[in-house]
Amino acid sequence: DQQVKQNSPSLSVQEGRISILNCDYTNSMFDYFLWYKKYPAEGPTFLISISSIKDKNEDGRFTVFLNKSAKHLSLHIVPSQPGDSAVYFCAASEGGGSNYKLTFGKGTLLTVNP
Amino acid sequence: GAGVSQSPSNKVTEKGKDVELRCDPISGHTALYWYRQSLGQGLEFLIYFQGNSAPDKSGLPSDRFSAERTGGSVSTLTIQRTQQEDSAVYLCASSFSSSNYGYTFGSGTRLTVV
Repeated sequence: DQQVKQNSPSLSVQEGRISILNCDYTNSMFDYFLWYKKYPAEGPTFLISISSIKDKNEDGRFTVFLNKSAKHLSLHIVPSQPGDSAVYFCAASEGGGSNYKLTFGKGTLLTVNP
Repeated sequence: GAGVSQSPSNKVTEKGKDVELRCDPISGHTALYWYRQSLGQGLEFLIYFQGNSAPDKSGLPSDRFSAERTGGSVSTLTIQRTQQEDSAVYLCASSFSSSNYGYTFGSGTRLTVV
């Protein structure tokens, strides 16, 4: 039973446009959410996070939106750049940022075309 | 070292053989985690170390899997009598404290059981 779902295995966008990656979760105890980016043959790297007490967190070109009632979050990248092409994983945890255990989605492969 | 180092990067083994996967965490990181990513799946939590102790082994899939950590540093994940379903990328991560903030992942070991 997957508790974190990324229903789009892949997404392709043009350079300069907005990329929107979606994530749904089923466990209502999740209260901290993270996005990781992974390039081939490298480990995932932390991108941005959001606590359930907020509905938006922004860091440069990256913004994460959280809709608790819908158990849905999304990562917006604007403007998208070819270097953003990677697999993006959504992850969640209980107990806020102090909980070490993360539950990951299957990932979405983003391709940004020049 | 500058990052989390894992070895080998690739391992092909015959079904039934034992394998050892090694993780060198970032110096000073007291917490260490093992995850695995099977084909088409998200990252799956295996085990958490704080120092040399493993307070959470709940993700180890069977008793063929074991892990240890010595000197509060290097960790070894051992899989005995490997099966084809063990084929996956095994990822190690470390952090300063037992939180999901500041996880740094290694590049992983791709294990193929033939």
